[in-house]
Amino acid sequence: DGGITQSPKYLFRKEGQNVTLSCEQNLNHDAMYWYRQDPGQGLRLIYYSQIVNDFQKGDIAEGYSVSREKKESFPLTVTSAQKNPTAFYLCASSQGPMWSPLHFGNGTRLTVT
Amino acid sequence: KNEVEQSPQNLTAQEGEFITINCSYSVGISALHWLQQHPGGGIVSLFMLSSGKKKHGRLIATINIQEKHSSLHITASHPRDSAVYICAVQNYGGSQGNLIFGKGTKLSVKP
Repeated sequence: DGGITQSPKYLFRKEGQNVTLSCEQNLNHDAMYWYRQDPGQGLRLIYYSQIVNDFQKGDIAEGYSVSREKKESFPLTVTSAQKNPTAFYLCASSQGPMWSPLHFGNGTRLTVT
Repeated sequence: KNEVEQSPQNLTAQEGEFITINCSYSVGISALHWLQQHPGGGIVSLFMLSSGKKKHGRLIATINIQEKHSSLHITASHPRDSAVYICAVQNYGGSQGNLIFGKGTKLSVKP
């Protein structure tokens, strides 16, 4: 079945360490997105990519980095510069830039202590 | 003031009841999304609409562009409908993924 796979589901790290969250899709979608969800808040866009080897910052990109070397993969690195990294991270994809539904992964819950 | 407001924040219903969740927004939009987030955290896209009404099974979504308001209705609610329902709008001229999200409505349907 086609879909988006995020791994791992739970991730624990010590403060000061970089950590990379995986996102893989087999939907052949061009566009991919990373969102962050905090309790009591709406989702916020971290980074997005509309095509391989290209990506743009979202509203809260500081302290994060991404790469898009392959169409199916869009990993997110949470760096030590991110001041409040503990959150729920969701990856999504869509067929094109406009007028197409978003498909979401099941998320990764990152806890940094 | 948030650009996307949902009401109610929490909703408890008995199985079989008709449910309405509201979404109001303050920006010009090209599309509005209704999403469902289950307790495990995964999100499913229910509807994407820019005008009128859409129906899928027991779910109905409507939008009034002039009033900047959308509603999600669930007919004959069931405990498996228990989830957080999220409204998100695509800013007019904005890119697909750069949505403005509401904080969600937590629905609990009791048997």
